Formats: sequence, structure tokens, C-alpha cells
Amino acid sequence: AQTVTQSQPEMSVQEAETVTLSCTYDTSESDYYLFWYKQPPSRQMILVIRQEAYKQQNATENRFSVNFQKAAKSFSLKISDSQLGDAAMYFCAYRSATFQGAQKLVFGQGTRLTINP
Amino acid sequence: DTAVSQTPKYLVTQMGNDKSIKCEQNLGHDTMYWYKQDSKKFLKIMFSYNNKELIINETVPNRFSPKSPDKAHLNLHINSLELGDSAVYFCASSQGVPYGRRTDTQYFGPGTRLTVL
Repeated sequence: AQTVTQSQPEMSVQEAETVTLSCTYDTSESDYYLFWYKQPPSRQMILVIRQEAYKQQNATENRFSVNFQKAAKSFSLKISDSQLGDAAMYFCAYRSATFQGAQKLVFGQGTRLTINP
Repeated sequence: DTAVSQTPKYLVTQMGNDKSIKCEQNLGHDTMYWYKQDSKKFLKIMFSYNNKELIINETVPNRFSPKSPDKAHLNLHINSLELGDSAVYFCASSQGVPYGRRTDTQYFGPGTRLTVL
């Protein structure tokens, strides 16, 4: 079974600076997807960024980018120019590419990000 | 326009009662899910339905019974509620993963906070 580990329960960063959230995962599969979701105090789960394992190029979405290291099974999220609205819980998630395994996301424990003004 | 909606958003009830949470998606997706987020914010899959057919039942007590009257709806009925059922329940949907299809992203509803007294 796949597992996802986020070793940083809490992180904080000064507004406008850069922060990196860590995520590692364990799988025996070669084809899969990785995601970062954001959960602000409103509780809504919001997709931040997605990476396909077969793509070597790291995904980017505006101020958000990932460092995907497939051999090391590492998938970190970098937030540049941090803004107050980035404050939230961030969850790393794994999804298999097989039919059965693709029916669920496996989540990490989450990292609470605080932005200091 | 709300993509994935859940009702109610808050539910407070006594131990032993039976309650239902409703979920509807207007994205035309084939697959719907229920996740449970516990008090430590950990998210775990409960059920997955594809075209009204149950695909995943992740060792959930049989007091929990999902029902999918059509592709756009997936309701969760809980019998004989227990204190440990207190959590936030998220419904999600995705386009579905037919054999050979690679891309799929899950979109989440706003969550239902269930409190059992």
C-alpha cells in the first residue's frame, strides 16, 4: 500500500518570502500522480498543483512550483512571494494510475503554513 | 456556480441517532467519493462510486451506507451514530478513470462537520 509522509507539521514564513513544504511517499508503482491541496480555514479543499510521474519536468502554477524527485520519492512544494492568503493547511496526496488504485487519493498528514506580515 | 455541494454543512446530533449527508455535483463527472477528516486533520477515503457502482469500500463500519441514485448524487447515511464518528466528511468527484485513461483530478465539496454528542 502507498503511504505519504509530510514531516513538517507546521511551517511559518515572512510575507513576500519563499517557503518549501516537504513530502515523501512510498510506492512500488512506476506510474502515478501527485498533488498538493490547500485547505484554508474555510475548510474547502483546493487543488494547488498536480504532477504526473511520467513527466520529468516539474509542474508550476504561478507562484507555486514543485521539485519532483522520482528516484528519491520526494515531492516538495515551493511557494514564492508568500501572501497572507496562502496561510492554510497543505496536503500532499498520491493517486495510482491503475484503475482500482485510481479510485482514491492517499493523503499525507498535512503541514500548517503561517504567513507572518 | 457550485461544482460539488454538500448538505448540511454542519450537523450536531445525539449518539445513537441516524443521519444522512447529501452530495451533488454538476460537473458531469462519473466518479464520486466520500472522505473522512478526523480531529487531527487526517484525510482518508471511505467510498468510491463509478457510474453508480461501488468501487471502493475502505474498511468502513457497515453503519455507514453510501447510496448513489444517479451519477450526480452520492449520499452518505450513518446509522447508530457514535462519538468517534465526529469528523468532517468530504464529498468529491472526478471525471472517472476508464481503463487506459490517465488524467483525473478530484474536486471537493465544502465538507460537512458532524458532531456527535
